[in-house]
Amino acid sequence: QKEVEQDPGPLSVPEGAIVSLNCTYSNSAFQYFMWYRQYSRKGPELLMYTYSSGNKEDGRFTAQVDKSSKYISLFIRDSQPSDSATYLCAMIGAAGNKLTFGGGTRVLVKP
Amino acid sequence: NAGVTQTPKFQVLKTGQSMTLQCAQDMNHNSMYWYRQDPGMGLRLIYYSASEGTTDKGEVPNGYNVSRLNKREFSLRLESAAPSQTSVYFCASSEGAGVNTEAFFGQGTRLTVV
Repeated sequence: QKEVEQDPGPLSVPEGAIVSLNCTYSNSAFQYFMWYRQYSRKGPELLMYTYSSGNKEDGRFTAQVDKSSKYISLFIRDSQPSDSATYLCAMIGAAGNKLTFGGGTRVLVKP
Repeated sequence: NAGVTQTPKFQVLKTGQSMTLQCAQDMNHNSMYWYRQDPGMGLRLIYYSASEGTTDKGEVPNGYNVSRLNKREFSLRLESAAPSQTSVYFCASSEGAGVNTEAFFGQGTRLTVV
């Protein structure tokens, strides 16, 4: 069983819709949670970073963490075609340097 | 600002050949990583270096070796390439653990082993 599970998609939505992405994890040592966005043939880039359980908002993006359920989510409001990319969740323990990624979800936003 | 630079960007190898993938970062980061990315598998950690002079195995280290040459450079070596090592390889760096864990990635090396 993978430490971090993520639905591979693809997830296809019309422009303006809300995109909902999530990951589950099994390692309770994970303390920091991140979402990366990866455009085709590019390296991943950090989108959101959270530490505590609850919500964190940044513009059209909201990250949620539920440590008790070992579940994290990313919501994209008013989605745009430019949001079409692969979204990867990532997490790391408090003491370690091993950033563990989910498999990524491919998102397609259609105009 | 260069960030994380990987060379080469593309490479085709024959089975059994060896090669070294180079990575350099100019952000004075302590930690560096090598990942491979395969369809449906996400990013899997091959090796990482928490600080200059240290290296540790990740999830899929078999068939690879690494060298943390100095604080800036972290190389990945394939001693005897196999078709199963066909993948996109990403180097990344981060300042350190905890709150400084944002990893910055290079553009990737697309490796094909025939």
